Amino acid sequence: GENVEQHPSTLSVQEGDSAVIKCTYSDSASNYFPWYKQELGKGPQLIIDIRSNVGEKKDQRIAVTLNKTAKHFSLHITETQPEDSAVYFCAASPSGSARQLTFGSGTQLTVLP
Amino acid sequence: SAVISQKPSRDICQRGTSLTIQCQVDSQVTMMFWYRQQPGQSLTLIATANQGSEATYESGFVIDKFPISRPNLTFSTLTVSNMSPEDSSIYLCSVSPTGTYEQYFGPGTRLTVT
Repeated sequence: GENVEQHPSTLSVQEGDSAVIKCTYSDSASNYFPWYKQELGKGPQLIIDIRSNVGEKKDQRIAVTLNKTAKHFSLHITETQPEDSAVYFCAASPSGSARQLTFGSGTQLTVLP
Repeated sequence: SAVISQKPSRDICQRGTSLTIQCQVDSQVTMMFWYRQQPGQSLTLIATANQGSEATYESGFVIDKFPISRPNLTFSTLTVSNMSPEDSSIYLCSVSPTGTYEQYFGPGTRLTVT
């Protein structure tokens, strides 16, 4: 089955700096890679995703890049703000109709004011 | 997207008892999923619950312990049976709207077993 590794487990940045979280996956058949933000006491919120036929996707201050050959994808947050502080999870989904997600272990991002 | 609600939001239960968690979505969806998130950990898929078919369980999860119902396209329940303290977790339902890859999560049910 799929295995997703996520690094780092914790990340602290100064407000205004950029943050990068990296994930690798094992199943070359995976073709959908979402990122979730989970604030304390809440369910995960989908913030951006990318399909395997796209190398990069951007939405305002967040972007995701995908390298299919190396089987890794990354989340980039620019101009970080204190409200970006949360746990971020990457995930991968195999091709087909199951839509099952395998999650990374999570990154606790802290943006210091 | 989809708006998902779960009941209860939290509960404290005694070992040996069972709890049924409800998941309601504001639109009809074929695919619903149940996840477990142990304290400070990532999410683990328990089962896939598609309307009109039996739930499909992941390795390590069995129907006797986690029976699931999916009576229609907007509702599902997960029961945690014969609970032990090891079952203390957040239980999350999610949906994938028809024709999309996106998966949206409910707010979760925080279960503590004493």
